[in-house]
Order: sequence, then C-alpha cells, then structure tokens
Amino acid sequence: AQTVTQSQPEMSVQEAETVTLSCTYDTSESNYYLFWYKQPPSRQMILVIRQEAYKQQNATENRFSVNFQKAAKSFSLKISDSQLGDTAMYFCAFMMNDYKLSFGAGTTVTVRA
Amino acid sequence: NAGVTQTPKFQVLKTGQSMTLQCAQDMNHNSMYWYRQDPGMGLRLIYYSASEGTTDKGEVPNGYNVSRLNKREFSLRLESAAPSQTSVYFCASSVRGGWLANYGYTFGSGTRLTVV
Repeated sequence: AQTVTQSQPEMSVQEAETVTLSCTYDTSESNYYLFWYKQPPSRQMILVIRQEAYKQQNATENRFSVNFQKAAKSFSLKISDSQLGDTAMYFCAFMMNDYKLSFGAGTTVTVRA
Repeated sequence: NAGVTQTPKFQVLKTGQSMTLQCAQDMNHNSMYWYRQDPGMGLRLIYYSASEGTTDKGEVPNGYNVSRLNKREFSLRLESAAPSQTSVYFCASSVRGGWLANYGYTFGSGTRLTVV
C-alpha cells in the first residue's frame, strides 16, 4: 500500500481565519491523483478537492485550495475564511492507476466561534 | 437519492457471531470497495471488486469475506466476529477507467460495528 502521512492529528482555528493541513506521500510513480476528503460528525465522506499529478497548477474549490509540491511529495490543504461548518476530520488520499485509494490517518479540524 | 446505501447503520455483535454488511449502489459504477475506519489509522481497504465477477484482497482482509452479487451489490461478511473487528465500515463505489475514475469514490454513510 502507498504511504500517506498526515502529521497533525488536531488543528484549531478561529472562525474567518485560515488553516493549513499538511500531507505527504510516498510513491515512485509519476502519474497519480490526490484527494482531500472531509468527514463531519455525520460520518459521511465528502470529496473536498482533487489534484492530478501531471498538472502543475494547484487546484482550488471556493475557500479550499491545495499546495501541490510534486518533487517534495507534499499536498497541503488550505481552508480560507473558516466557517463553523468546516469542523470535521479531513483525510488526505492517494490513488494510482489501480484505482485504489490509500488514506492518511486524518486531521481533526475544530473551528471556534 | 442516487448513491451508495449501506445497511445496517449500527450493529452490536457478540464474539463468535456472524453477520453480513450489505451495500448497494445505483450509479452504474464498475468498482466497489469495503474499508474500515479506526482511530488514528484512517481508512484501510479490506476487499475490493474491480468489476462484476471479480474480488481481491486489500490491506486488511483477514477475518472477512466478500461477495459481488451483481453490478449493484457488494456484501462483506464476518464469519466469526472478534473484538478487533470493532470499527466503522464504509462501502464505496467508483467508475473504473476513463476520466471519471479520477474523481475518487462515492461513499456510503458507514456502519458502526461493536463486537463485545
């Protein structure tokens, strides 16, 4: 299995501020895909953002953006203008051409009012 | 609503009992997966079915069996439940091949299983 490492078990951020979650991965492949999933207390897994490794441009979805550093094998998620509804566990995930997703351990984000 | 449906949502078993977790998707996806989620370990792949008629082991298959009943349904069976199988179980599905495959999975809402 591919290794995905999320080094921050928990993060806390004030409402309207910015928080950045880190993720590193290990692969010798050049073609792969990276994802961030959100899991709120409802337990549902929700796709937040995705990035193709062959694209140099960083993906952005509204208040969510990534910093993809291919050489460093790093894929961080930035949440801007944090909202109370962003409180959740966030998982970084990696997929190669075998279509199997490998997940990191997760980072719990708490947004404070 | 279209998506992945898992049953049951909660279950308590005694050690040694058996049970089957059911999963069905109505998105015409080729591939289906079973994961377990444990604190501090993320989601780990138990078994997957790349297409109807095929199943393969994932990272943590011991103690489980699966059946791909048809294109829509993929069940996970615990033959003799153990406390170590206490976890949250997720079923997921995806397209296999083509550009849509790179949009990740659609997940069910999970089953919280406790083995006492």
